[in-house]
Amino acid sequence: GAGVSQTPSNKVTEKGKYVELRCDPISGHTALYWYRQSLGQGPEFLIYFQGTGAADDSGLPNDRFFAVRPEGSVSTLKIQRTERGDSAVYLCASSPQTGWPGELFFGEGSRLTVL
Amino acid sequence: AQTVTQSQPEMSVQEAETVTLSCTYDTSESNYYLFWYKQPPSRQMILVIRQEAYKQQNATENRFSVNFQKAAKSFSLKISDSQLGDTAMYFCAFRGTSGSRLTFGEGTQLTVNP
Repeated sequence: GAGVSQTPSNKVTEKGKYVELRCDPISGHTALYWYRQSLGQGPEFLIYFQGTGAADDSGLPNDRFFAVRPEGSVSTLKIQRTERGDSAVYLCASSPQTGWPGELFFGEGSRLTVL
Repeated sequence: AQTVTQSQPEMSVQEAETVTLSCTYDTSESNYYLFWYKQPPSRQMILVIRQEAYKQQNATENRFSVNFQKAAKSFSLKISDSQLGDTAMYFCAFRGTSGSRLTFGEGTQLTVNP
């Protein structure tokens, strides 16, 4: 597809379960970002990949959150032992270049609801 | 660390009128980019306009323009001839040169009334 694709669009899970959220960036984009957006708030940075490596993971809230991008394309955000506070929309974005001044292209997000 | 502040949680405007959304930011960097993104109910962030800090001229994209005041660290968005399709959440965002992340404000919900 032409844009950033995120699956699933919606995910409902129970407290304590494990979830995976997938992001398929625009072909050829080397940079990939994950953001979390709580209801009524602006997106908060989680992690940024340049190629296969996490260049900046300082936004991950705790060690229950982990993300990978093994081949430098698709990325998976993994959340262990989910908590109700993890409920949010998780946005993925990609960029054709790093640093300055690349524009970010966003997907439609994955809405996670933890019951 | 950079911070971005949008002090107007909600705004409304009549169709065809002009509205201005406010944004202030804090940074110690001298070179950076500022953005306005629009987020409709579909959740996808769409870039509206961007401004390079070293350019004094305010950016313009059709009905959208900015008033960039670098000394005051202010970056407001003006929407002229408002249309119903402009109804959305608008986010101001900052991107510096020392890192690659975008830092977003809290957003302003804009409603355009017929």
